Amino acid sequence: SAVISQKPSRDICQRGTSLTIQCQVDSQVTMMFWYRQQPGQSLTLIATANQGSEATYESGFVIDKFPISRPNLTFSTLTVSNMSPEDSSIYLCSGVRHEQFFGPGTRLTVL
Amino acid sequence: AQTVTQSQPEMSVQEAETVTLSCTYDTSESDYYLFWYKQPPSRQMILVIRQEAYKQQNATENRFSVNFQKAAKSFSLKISDSQLGDAAMYFCAYRSSNSGGSNYKLTFGKGTLLTVNP
Repeated sequence: SAVISQKPSRDICQRGTSLTIQCQVDSQVTMMFWYRQQPGQSLTLIATANQGSEATYESGFVIDKFPISRPNLTFSTLTVSNMSPEDSSIYLCSGVRHEQFFGPGTRLTVL
Repeated sequence: AQTVTQSQPEMSVQEAETVTLSCTYDTSESDYYLFWYKQPPSRQMILVIRQEAYKQQNATENRFSVNFQKAAKSFSLKISDSQLGDAAMYFCAYRSSNSGGSNYKLTFGKGTLLTVNP
């Protein structure tokens, strides 16, 4: 089965700063997604990371706040920009090979 | 839009016993996929079981099986011979089978926290 890693695994950030989360898959996947999971809650899809083109965002999420890159079929980044305490959450990436499998998540705390 | 509802925020089961987690969904589509994902505390989410809507036979994976009732839009997960390692948050999820780039998007329920008592 495929393996996804994320860096950093956790971070504590100051209000107004930005954090870039990296997602690496051990082999090529057809699609990659980014989710947000607030503590004890379900997963909410932020966007589909498209290889070589702009990401496709879900309602309520915008590129200026959550810029995403996907330069190739095994790597993607999500940036959380101009952070506020409301952005404190777990951010997960996922890849698709037959079905979706998930990374371990990045736990973000914004002070 | 599709919705997934898990009406049991928490469930508990004794070790070696059987437990059933409930999930209902709403969709206007006739062809789709349903999943159960498991998220242990502070650990990675993993796929437990998958069901294609066009298949009448219920999916099984070792101790895990589903009861898929398409007309009722119900998709419950049964865990037999529960083990301590089964303790986790369980999420029910829906995926459309329509073609196109969005067909792998998942819609998740709110989850059921399963506790396994020794």
